[in-house]
Amino acid sequence: DQQVKQNSPSLSVQEGRISILNCDYTNSMFDYFLWYKKYPAEGPTFLISISSIKDKNEDGRFTVFLNKSAKHLSLHIVPSQPGDSAVYFCAASAPYSGAGSYQLTFGKGTKLSVIP
Amino acid sequence: GAGVSQSPSNKVTEKGKDVELRCDPISGHTALYWYRQSLGQGLEFLIYFQGNSAPDKSGLPSDRFSAERTGGSVSTLTIQRTQQEDSAVYLCASSPQGFGTETQYFGPGTRLLVL
Repeated sequence: DQQVKQNSPSLSVQEGRISILNCDYTNSMFDYFLWYKKYPAEGPTFLISISSIKDKNEDGRFTVFLNKSAKHLSLHIVPSQPGDSAVYFCAASAPYSGAGSYQLTFGKGTKLSVIP
Repeated sequence: GAGVSQSPSNKVTEKGKDVELRCDPISGHTALYWYRQSLGQGLEFLIYFQGNSAPDKSGLPSDRFSAERTGGSVSTLTIQRTQQEDSAVYLCASSPQGFGTETQYFGPGTRLLVL
């Protein structure tokens, strides 16, 4: 069963507009969430994270929102730029709970295309 | 400084053959992780090394898969008697100490195709 779900395989957005990527999780033990960005033929690179004690974390154009009661998080990119075109993976871990705390559980990814 | 490197970048093999995939982590990082990404899937955790501790092998899909990390640095993932379902991108990552909130830095991956 998938513990981290990204239900939109792809998303197209006009340059300058907001991109919203969504992620849902089922495991209530998860208390740390990350977004990774991946370009073709490269490994994923870390983008932004949020712990379960927060509901928002912002870094420049990127903001992650966490709704613990709904087990939902989202990544907002504003304004979107053509260089943001990539696959975005949502990941979750349980670093505060002990065993296996380092394991990242990934969603399947959402391919974002930002159209100039 | 240099990032995580992996070799080979691509590997094509015949079903039943053994393959070895190599990972060079970032210098000084004590934690090393292997993941794989099958077509259309997310990254799947395989194995974790941290310093001199016994590795966490809980993600290895079968006993055909094994990994070792020599001298606390380079790691090799070995797949014996490869099957077509082993075709995937195998990604290695490292982090400074293995704490759960540390950023994991990924290599470019090895694309394995089993014919």
